[in-house]
Amino acid sequence: DAGVIQSPRHEVTEMGQEVTLRCKPISGHNSLFWYRQTMMRGLELLIYFNNNVPIDDSGMPEDRFSAKMPNASFSTLKIQPSEPRDSAVYFCASGPGDSDAIYFGEGSWLTVV
Amino acid sequence: QKEVEQNSGPLSVPEGAIASLNCTYSDRGSQSFFWYRQYSGKSPELIMFIYSNGDKEDGRFTAQLNKASQYVSLLIRDSQPSDSATYLCAAPPNFGNEKLTFGTGTRLTIIP
Repeated sequence: DAGVIQSPRHEVTEMGQEVTLRCKPISGHNSLFWYRQTMMRGLELLIYFNNNVPIDDSGMPEDRFSAKMPNASFSTLKIQPSEPRDSAVYFCASGPGDSDAIYFGEGSWLTVV
Repeated sequence: QKEVEQNSGPLSVPEGAIASLNCTYSDRGSQSFFWYRQYSGKSPELIMFIYSNGDKEDGRFTAQLNKASQYVSLLIRDSQPSDSATYLCAAPPNFGNEKLTFGTGTRLTIIP
């Protein structure tokens, strides 16, 4: 079975531009997570969905960040406008739920210049 | 206090020796614990999970859980250079909660 699929793998954009990151979770998984990883802050949970519904978005840094999950097989994380401090690796992960393990995609490496 | 804490390392271990990685957690409601391995430039990969007090062995890896002390560890026997990576401990705050909190990770280097 395919794992979690993320796109784009790498993106370089100018400050002020809109960035959209995409994720396809593992089929059958009920939960989807967006994490951000930097050297300084480690792996931070931004938001997670259960059955397509946002459950906890307390980690979303500010209003410039938004996430959607229109159906069970697709989610987006949008940054508008982007800033250099948003440069990081953004991971999407999915899991079957109920305190079980989660499985990560390969990440989207974002650089904002 | 952070929910999940790890000794940040870096940790260097000679090839063939035992590597010991440690993690403490603050939420007594946590029931399940996960160890992920992350190679440089790659995503975290699940390698072990443990739910019960005691030891759980999988090949060269042993996870140990002590709920009374709120302590979980990962032992790697016969360390290989391919074990060089960052190891992340993770736990949800309580049973049924899907929100995994990760430690900051311990960078392990196996010296040939």
